Amino acid sequence: KAGVTQTPRYLIKTRGQQVTLSCSPISGHRSVSWYQQTPGQGLQFLFEYFSETQRNKGNFPGRFSGRQFSNSRSEMNVSTLELGDSALYLCASSPLGGSDTQYFGPGTRLTVL
Amino acid sequence: GENVEQHPSTLSVQEGDSAVIKCTYSDSASNYFPWYKQELGKGPQLIIDIRSNVGEKKDQRIAVTLNKTAKHFSLHITETQPEDSAVYFCAASPNQGGKLIFGQGTELSVKP
Repeated sequence: KAGVTQTPRYLIKTRGQQVTLSCSPISGHRSVSWYQQTPGQGLQFLFEYFSETQRNKGNFPGRFSGRQFSNSRSEMNVSTLELGDSALYLCASSPLGGSDTQYFGPGTRLTVL
Repeated sequence: GENVEQHPSTLSVQEGDSAVIKCTYSDSASNYFPWYKQELGKGPQLIIDIRSNVGEKKDQRIAVTLNKTAKHFSLHITETQPEDSAVYFCAASPNQGGKLIFGQGTELSVKP
């Protein structure tokens, strides 16, 4: 089976812009979780989608949003980018979410100038 | 609040030695504890996991132990090899819709 894929792998944006990141889960997996990884804060949970519904959300501002499509692919969007949004954004898929094992993609490296 | 503490932050061992990384979690509702290995430029890779109804699990050179009473769990790597060098993360799942709480990571260096 193919693993979790994320596009693009690298992205450079300027402050105030918005960005959309994409994640394709492992075939058959219906849950997608998103995480932000920074040197200072480590790995932090953003949100989780299951069957096109957001089931859980972390402590991030409303500028961070996401969605999931009927084929389980997911996108996350960050609006009005700030310098502090520079990070590695990771998505992970699992069959049903909850306490299922999560498998991570390679991440999207976002740099905000 | 939900928190996972991980120690040490860096660990250097000689090839063939054992390495131990320890984590403590705060949410007693947590029921699933995975360990991930992250190499430079890659996403975290699951290496072993344990659920709250099991005290110990082993997979070749890697083992994990869980003490629910004390709310801590540990990763043990025996016969370390240079390719084990990476950053290791522990995590706890508070059983809330696909959410993992991660420790701060341990940078393991195995010297030949």
